[in-house]
Amino acid sequence: DGGITQSPKYLFRKEGQNVTLSCEQNLNHDAMYWYRQDPGQGLRLIYYSQIVNDFQKGDIAEGYSVSREKKESFPLTVTSAQKNPTAFYLCASSSGGNRVTQYFGPGTRLLVL
Amino acid sequence: AQRVTQPEKLLSVFKGAPVELKCNYSYSGSPELFWYVQYSRQRLQLLLRHISRESIKGFTADLNKGETSFHLKKPFAQEEDSAMYYCALRSPSNTGNQFYFGTGTSLTVIP
Repeated sequence: DGGITQSPKYLFRKEGQNVTLSCEQNLNHDAMYWYRQDPGQGLRLIYYSQIVNDFQKGDIAEGYSVSREKKESFPLTVTSAQKNPTAFYLCASSSGGNRVTQYFGPGTRLLVL
Repeated sequence: AQRVTQPEKLLSVFKGAPVELKCNYSYSGSPELFWYVQYSRQRLQLLLRHISRESIKGFTADLNKGETSFHLKKPFAQEEDSAMYYCALRSPSNTGNQFYFGTGTSLTVIP
C-alpha cells in the first residue's frame, strides 16, 4: 500500500462533461497505467506510459485521453465521447528490470448523473 | 493475440479443502505470468509470479507451457483466502510493458 494515490475516490459526471481522474506515485517508477474495471470483465487497459512525455493506447482508449508531463503524475480525462463511462478506474505503476511488478492505486469510481 | 482466460467467475470451497483457480493463456512468445489478489476493501496486489517459483500464503502456481496454463493452487483453503483473484500476463514490446488480465475469479471459503 501507499506510493500510489488516486483522487477523488468518487466522481460524478454530467452528460457532455469532461472529467479528470488524478493519479500520483512516489515510487520513482517510469511506467504508469490506467485500467478500467467492470464487473465480469476484469481489468482492461486504457492507456499506458513507459516514460515522461510518451504514452500508448491500450485496448479501450476511445473516449479517453492522458498526459504524462511529470514522472510522478498520469492524469486520465474521461471525455464526453466516452458513452459508457460508469466504471471503477485503477491506476498502476511498475518497476523495471527483470522483475517487473505493478503496484495499484485505490481506484476512483466514476458515476454518471 | 494475447489472451488470459479464467473460466470460473465464482468458486466456493469449504475451509480446509483444496482449492484450484484456473488460468489459461495464449501468447506467441515466452510468457511471464502473475496472480493478483484483491481482498475486500483493499487494493489489487501481486500474489505471486511464475518466474519466482515461490509459495505465498500457501499458494503456488506452476506454468505449464504444454497446456498453456498457470493454475493457482492451495492445499488447504482458509477463510482469509476469500477474495477476487486475477491472472495476468506481461507482454513486453518496444513501447513498454502491457499487462493482460483475465476476468477474475471470486473465491469464497465457507467456514
